[in-house]
Amino acid sequence: NAGVTQTPKFRVLKTGQSMTLLCAQDMNHEYMYWYRQDPGMGLRLIHYSVGEGTTAKGEVPDGYNVSRLKKQNFLLGLESAAPSQTSVYFCASSYTEYEQYFGPGTRLTVT
Amino acid sequence: GENVEQHPSTLSVQEGDSAVIKCTYSDSASNYFPWYKQELGKRPQLIIDIRSNVGEKKDQRIAVTLNKTAKHFSLHITETQPEDSAVYFCAAAFVGGFQKLVFGTGTRLLVSP
Repeated sequence: NAGVTQTPKFRVLKTGQSMTLLCAQDMNHEYMYWYRQDPGMGLRLIHYSVGEGTTAKGEVPDGYNVSRLKKQNFLLGLESAAPSQTSVYFCASSYTEYEQYFGPGTRLTVT
Repeated sequence: GENVEQHPSTLSVQEGDSAVIKCTYSDSASNYFPWYKQELGKRPQLIIDIRSNVGEKKDQRIAVTLNKTAKHFSLHITETQPEDSAVYFCAAAFVGGFQKLVFGTGTRLLVSP
């Protein structure tokens, strides 16, 4: 039981490049979330999903897209990366409306 | 929307002392208040949570109190130990079919031996 995993762990992009972050969970959780964490700003919700095939916008969705084609996977895409998207990205999942389990994070730098 | 303020941003205590971190929230509809601990370079992990129908909850050395009227809640850690050193985040959400957590900005707790 690996819990919540994220790939890659680190990535450096140039402005304008695109990439996809993968989140996978093996706990059969319905709910999945993508957050970004910036110094002094806590965690902010980017997008979330309440089940396979569904996605919704969170607090800071601009510049990101997501997809949940399979229940266990939640993908976060950056179509045209900008320096403002330099951050640590955390995926999380939950079975109920309560406790969220976080992945180990992806550190992204956009130059 | 919901807004969560957290104080202090840093807190230094001696081992064995108590530590208190306070948060205020703006949306009176919020009914779920978790606390997460994040060690350096690690993922956030839930340490305790409280729902709005409860005023206080304890789990060994940690406790959380909630004042719905004043819209604030606090984390209390007693008999602090060096391994308690971490960043602590409070959060608030209205849970009604789904929860969208709004996090505070974090408190860096340093426990000195």
